Amino acid sequence: GAGVSQSPSNKVTEKGKDVELRCDPISGHTALYWYRQSLGQGLEFLIYFQGNSAPDKSGLPSDRFSAERTGGSVSTLTIQRTQQEDSAVYLCASSSRGRAEYNEQFFGPGTRLTVL
Amino acid sequence: AQSVSQHNHHVILSEAASLELGCNYSYGGTVNLFWYVQYPGQHLQLLLKYFSGDPLVKGIKGFEAEFIKSKFSFNLRKPSVQWSDTAEYFCAVNARSQGNLIFGKGTKLSVKP
Repeated sequence: GAGVSQSPSNKVTEKGKDVELRCDPISGHTALYWYRQSLGQGLEFLIYFQGNSAPDKSGLPSDRFSAERTGGSVSTLTIQRTQQEDSAVYLCASSSRGRAEYNEQFFGPGTRLTVL
Repeated sequence: AQSVSQHNHHVILSEAASLELGCNYSYGGTVNLFWYVQYPGQHLQLLLKYFSGDPLVKGIKGFEAEFIKSKFSFNLRKPSVQWSDTAEYFCAVNARSQGNLIFGKGTKLSVKP
């Protein structure tokens, strides 16, 4: 398909373990975003990649969270030493423009993370 | 800091009723405005967007929204809802100087057949 894809769709882990979540953006999109959707908090921005620029990490909630984007395409969000409050749906989005006038973001289906 | 407020947490309507969902944002600069919809079990989809020009924008499935700059509002409307409109609706703002979207907490719409 031509949309944003994410894997796995569901992830159950034990408290204290590390997890990696993957995002494949729409081909040709230069901007990639990670958001988190949780009950009570709504949708929160985590991190944003635009081309080869340094990522905007201003939304990451702690230093246990990190993300990489290799080759300007696929991105991996890593959560170290997971806590129960990390349980949420992690959404990835991509757009053809970043900080620009017409920034329409397309969302993937998300990864539902449950930390036991 | 930017923020987005959606006034209604849960709206329950009967089919054919008219819908208006409120959205207000706080940001003094130029913004792009969006409404996203999340149907049960599905991912976020764009309903409509405002970048510039005519402040009354029309989206998919008969939805429209009006940008009122003086009120920092971008309310979503539909003249006659259908049972298939049952979903959660999110208003979002993107400052032109930033990449990320700021979302409201969402409004759950339940339409009774």
